[in-house]
Amino acid sequence: DVVMTQSPLSLPVTLGQPASISCRSSQSLVHSDGNTYLNWFQQRPGQSPRRLIYKVSNRDSGVPDRFSGSGSGTDFTLKISRVEAEDVGVYYCLQGTHWPPGTFGQGTKVEIK
Amino acid sequence: EVQLVESGGGLVQPGGSLRLSCAASGFTFSTYWMSWVRQAPGKGLEWVANIKQDGSEKYYVDSVKGRFTISRDNAKNSLYLQMNSLRAEDTAVYYCATGAVAGDGYWGQGTLVTVSS
Repeated sequence: DVVMTQSPLSLPVTLGQPASISCRSSQSLVHSDGNTYLNWFQQRPGQSPRRLIYKVSNRDSGVPDRFSGSGSGTDFTLKISRVEAEDVGVYYCLQGTHWPPGTFGQGTKVEIK
Repeated sequence: EVQLVESGGGLVQPGGSLRLSCAASGFTFSTYWMSWVRQAPGKGLEWVANIKQDGSEKYYVDSVKGRFTISRDNAKNSLYLQMNSLRAEDTAVYYCATGAVAGDGYWGQGTLVTVSS
């Protein structure tokens, strides 16, 4: 199974400052079809997960442009350019290239300092 | 508007059974792989099972193989998870979601399953 490793697991940030979350996979996430199936999800307190980014860098409809995804192969990053109060929550990466099973990262908790 | 509404959760004793349902609307259900994902209290997300559009392929995480069965009824736009021989470690919020690994963007609000005596 592909292991997804996120860092850091806890990320205290100051409002208006940038934040960055890393997600590393135990093997390359490049699919034989040429796509890389790496998604990012946000889970606000008490809510269901919401997809923010699909296929590494594609932002979902309605997601603020302060969120961006990048990376390739085994190394991926979610960046928030300027953290706002509504960004508090847990962020997960999810790989969909090598399944079953689909595998999530452990989650990164973003909180305001 | 896309909606996924789970139901069927509750309190069950160890060794017991429960059947979860997920009612889908607002999209063409029959064209999507569907998944179940769970989240134990205070823990992360774990993909549990998926099913192909026509139900011909099903896959499970090792920890539930032989105990859980995923199924669907495209005529009713519904997804199901039959859970047998439940254990304390199955206690979680169970989400249904679109996509082979729940990566297609739509998730329900979840239903809580508590396994306890």
